[in-house]
Amino acid sequence: EPEVTQTPSHQVTQMGQEVILRCVPISNHLYFYWYRQILGQKVEFLVSFYNNEISEKSEIFDDQFSVERPDGSNFTLKIRSTKLEDSAMYFCASSGEQGWANQPQHFGDGTRLSIL
Amino acid sequence: AQSVSQHNHHVILSEAASLELGCNYSYGGTVNLFWYVQYPGQHLQLLLKYFSGDPLVKGIKGFEAEFIKSKFSFNLRKPSVQWSDTAEYFCAVSTKAAGNKLTFGGGTRVLVKP
Repeated sequence: EPEVTQTPSHQVTQMGQEVILRCVPISNHLYFYWYRQILGQKVEFLVSFYNNEISEKSEIFDDQFSVERPDGSNFTLKIRSTKLEDSAMYFCASSGEQGWANQPQHFGDGTRLSIL
Repeated sequence: AQSVSQHNHHVILSEAASLELGCNYSYGGTVNLFWYVQYPGQHLQLLLKYFSGDPLVKGIKGFEAEFIKSKFSFNLRKPSVQWSDTAEYFCAVSTKAAGNKLTFGGGTRVLVKP
């Protein structure tokens, strides 16, 4: 079964540094998402992306965050100047042809981001 | 905005026991409902989903869930659990008004003792 892959599995970064989290969605999927889970808290939606633009973002997704699909396979999340509170597990997900209409999202293994 | 609550944070039970995990959502309109499972060290995997039709949904690994619209509930059940069902279980909802984003419950950690 095709999978969503994320790299790295664990990223340790100094506060204030930029970090890029990488995802390779399932190849024929068109909708891409980032979620995060702070330790002990709920999985939270960050952003959705379709047709090379952000389709929706949460209040968490402020100017420090950006997403990009630089080529036909990768989907990246960049945090420009990391803060301690950005420490979390970040999950990438993708879904198929029809956005809201009945396509479940497939998740990657996640990247654990630790800010020191 | 929609929200999801899962009643139990931790459940411990023995093999062959029956499992029921509660999930309630708050949203007045049409919803899609999901249960995801996360085994230790693995990614979130879809157990089952409800979009429309029969409110009793059967998923993988012997799990099923029932959508009761009047109660805004989507409880997950398995008649006889195995040790390999030890995992964290997440209920999630999406709504047309909110695009396709998933709103998750807090998760329930299930430990099945052999």
